[in-house]
Amino acid sequence: GIQVEQSPPDLILQEGANSTLRCNFSDSVNNLQWFHQNPWGQLINLFYIPSGTKQNGRLSATTVATERYSLLYISSSQTTDSGVYFCAVERYTNAGKSTFGDGTTLTVKP
Amino acid sequence: DAGVTQSPTHLIKTRGQQVTLRCSPKSGHDTVSWYQQALGQGPQFIFQYYEEEERQRGNFPDRFSGHQFPNYSSELNVNALLLGDSALYLCASRSGGDWTGELFFGEGSRLTVL
Repeated sequence: GIQVEQSPPDLILQEGANSTLRCNFSDSVNNLQWFHQNPWGQLINLFYIPSGTKQNGRLSATTVATERYSLLYISSSQTTDSGVYFCAVERYTNAGKSTFGDGTTLTVKP
Repeated sequence: DAGVTQSPTHLIKTRGQQVTLRCSPKSGHDTVSWYQQALGQGPQFIFQYYEEEERQRGNFPDRFSGHQFPNYSSELNVNALLLGDSALYLCASRSGGDWTGELFFGEGSRLTVL
């Protein structure tokens, strides 16, 4: 099956700093989503981005499908950004089955 | 607009018991899938239901079964519980058809097996 690798596994920042999280995947995909998992376990949708670039406030994401990677940018980080960030992909031949990476754990210190 | 809702939020069972978890999809969604998330890992796909049938299944044993009702809600059943079944169980929903739309998750049911 498709492999999803996220890096870095852990990231510690001071409040106000910027960061880039990366998601590499081993095969072509037709779905890609970024999630933020809060301390209570809920997965919060950040971006649905099979290709291209999107921005939402301090967050933006870029997916280069032909090169099989996606980037999540967090600018001017806040303590509330802390948590685990997951990338999830789906292949058309396995539509409906999302494969997740192991996540990046972000800690933002005040 | 109601999101994906799951119940119960927490539960404790002993080895060998059976458990049923429930999920109501987001308004307007007709496809439900279930994921298991062990501590420190990403969610793992269990199965997906559409039109009351299991459409896709991940690498989980037959002890894991499910059901979808005519109102699109779903249940996940796990029989003969093992210690290793302790995890957060997440339900997700999306609009059906080509299953390429955005996936939305509930808050999860945290199962502890003693």
